[in-house]
Amino acid sequence: GQQLNQSPQSMFIQEGEDVSMNCTSSSIFNTWLWYKQDPGEGPVLLIALYKAGELTSNGRLTAQFGITRKDSFLNISASIPSDVGIYFCAGQEENFNKFYFGSGTKLNVKP
Amino acid sequence: GAVVSQHPSWVICKSGTSVKIECRSLDFQATTMFWYRQFPKQSLMLMATSNEGSKATYEQGVEKDKFLINHASLTLSTLTVTSAHPEDSSFYICSASLPGRYGYTFGSGTRLTVV
Repeated sequence: GQQLNQSPQSMFIQEGEDVSMNCTSSSIFNTWLWYKQDPGEGPVLLIALYKAGELTSNGRLTAQFGITRKDSFLNISASIPSDVGIYFCAGQEENFNKFYFGSGTKLNVKP
Repeated sequence: GAVVSQHPSWVICKSGTSVKIECRSLDFQATTMFWYRQFPKQSLMLMATSNEGSKATYEQGVEKDKFLINHASLTLSTLTVTSAHPEDSSFYICSASLPGRYGYTFGSGTRLTVV
């Protein structure tokens, strides 16, 4: 199956700092999703994007659907310790019902 | 709303035995569910798409005779790992989507350990 290129692989930041991560694909996607996964749990949906150029916020999180439809980014502002976890992007190709996941970004926040 | 329940949350089985994992949509009907597999510190790999009332569609490299999927109702899909081996030990997660554009909801996952 396809995998998306997600970067960075991991981040170590200080509490209060802003964070940015992104995903790119060789295919055009019609939907981008961003998830957070805690250890031993299933991923939890953070933000869903359905249109090129769309910018959507969920509290301190902001995500954008790239205008080329081949990329997306997620920003977290003023990080807090509970932001620790692994963040995954997921994309859905045109004409397909299934989603493929990025390799994940492990976020560590130092209090 | 949009709760997906997965059971069991963990299971240990002996090599050669079969294990069934259930995925239920609790408050909505899901004509399509997806099964993923996740190895430690790795991403989620799509295994198959489960379609209610028809055969599942498997991703390349996934053995359909080993990972049997049944989607007999609009709220239940099952994954059976047959003749399990230690290399099948992994975290298995299902997901389903609400009608409309609400993204996909995931179950809490099943940790399978084959000894």
